[in-house]
Amino acid sequence: IVMTQTPLSSPVTPGQPASISCRSSQSLVHSDGNTYLSWLQQRPGQPPRLLIYKISKRLSGVPDRFSGTGAGTDFTLKISRVEAEDVGVYYCMQATQFPLTFGGGTKVEI
Amino acid sequence: EVQLAESGGGLVQPGGSLRLSCTASGFSFSDFWMSWVRQAPGKGLEWVASLNQDGSGKYYVDSVKGRFTISRDNAKNSLYLQMNSLRAEDTAIFYCATDVVGGWAFDSWGQGALVTVSS
Repeated sequence: IVMTQTPLSSPVTPGQPASISCRSSQSLVHSDGNTYLSWLQQRPGQPPRLLIYKISKRLSGVPDRFSGTGAGTDFTLKISRVEAEDVGVYYCMQATQFPLTFGGGTKVEI
Repeated sequence: EVQLAESGGGLVQPGGSLRLSCTASGFSFSDFWMSWVRQAPGKGLEWVASLNQDGSGKYYVDSVKGRFTISRDNAKNSLYLQMNSLRAEDTAIFYCATDVVGGWAFDSWGQGALVTVSS
């Protein structure tokens, strides 16, 4: 399954919203009814950090300004009000079937 | 607190071998799938391999099939990646990752081990 993210880069202004799109080459609905689409953030020099799983479930400790929506093949990560600490690269990932695949990444910069 | 710590990275010549280890703590290691994810310098994330709880189910990305072997020792809370016939394009930071929350997502990551394949 090919994961395509847009945009490649997103200049943002602190306090303003930001949105990242992720599209899969086929439906991510698993035979068990779940959709295994997650979003990760990677700050410079750091390992990735999980933000959102199963489309919209926020991991404990993740600020509520991050939200995930979507279904089937189209998904979106939204940051309601960007903060300076949100700078980094964001990846979507599908785990509905092997091989697991990541999107190419979206760089969020102030 | 879940902790994952990779070791065993280094410089190896093309065609050589290397074994990465990942030591886990803070969770019941034997109850969870474990995976390796890599990141080439300046590039994005690439899933490499995953292994189920008892080691009977192994999955690999096509580019490493036949060259890499994922394994685990539940008594030692350790995950391994044996890498043979290494190529320059295998140069990357290799991360150990797991899904403790249960959403088929990598919620815990190690700091990574750098593997450099060069003559």
